[in-house]
Amino acid sequence: SAVISQKPSRDICQRGTSLTIQCQVDSQVTMMFWYRQQPGQSLTLIATANQGSEATYESGFVIDKFPISRPNLTFSTLTVSNMSPEDSSIYLCSVGRRGEAFFGQGTRLTVV
Amino acid sequence: AQKVTQAQTEISVVEKEDVTLDCVYETRDTTYYLFWYKQPPSGELVFLIRRNSFDEQNEISGRYSWNFQKSTSSFNFTITASQVVDSAVYFCALSEAGRDTDKLIFGTGTRLQVFP
Repeated sequence: SAVISQKPSRDICQRGTSLTIQCQVDSQVTMMFWYRQQPGQSLTLIATANQGSEATYESGFVIDKFPISRPNLTFSTLTVSNMSPEDSSIYLCSVGRRGEAFFGQGTRLTVV
Repeated sequence: AQKVTQAQTEISVVEKEDVTLDCVYETRDTTYYLFWYKQPPSGELVFLIRRNSFDEQNEISGRYSWNFQKSTSSFNFTITASQVVDSAVYFCALSEAGRDTDKLIFGTGTRLQVFP
């Protein structure tokens, strides 16, 4: 298995500000994934973060809004920029190991 | 394109009833993986099972069982003798084999409420 720590676990932020979410994995992984779960909705992949290269974003998500860093093989950050109430969601970090996808406990973001 | 459909938005049962959660998927890949996750009210995603496309054997784990039918592109999940602690949102997910194995496409989830 993989142990994933996400920080913060929750936050309430003012609109127009930015929040950076951290994801730490207990061992090295090639790819890390960031998902968003809007209230009452399913999980949607935002981007894939590879160490040493730019993140790959899914349709509907852009780097200016969701910049991602991947400085090493165990850590990644996702920033939610210039937040609006529509960004209120749970953001989850995920890694794969031997075909299984493991998730952090998520960051519950509320934008007011 | 890949897609996962969970037609049941919400299911309510009384404790000890059996309940089946449906999952239908679409993919053009011949090799793929199917998953079920549980999301309790606390919000974390709990891994339940992974099945690869070449393994059509049904699986049983305690009160949980899974029925994989490639012919109908379905991967249904049954909870036997449901308990209140089973109340959660359950997600079915699909991933490709190969490089993007770990990148999941989720269904919309089924909210299961088990009443005492």
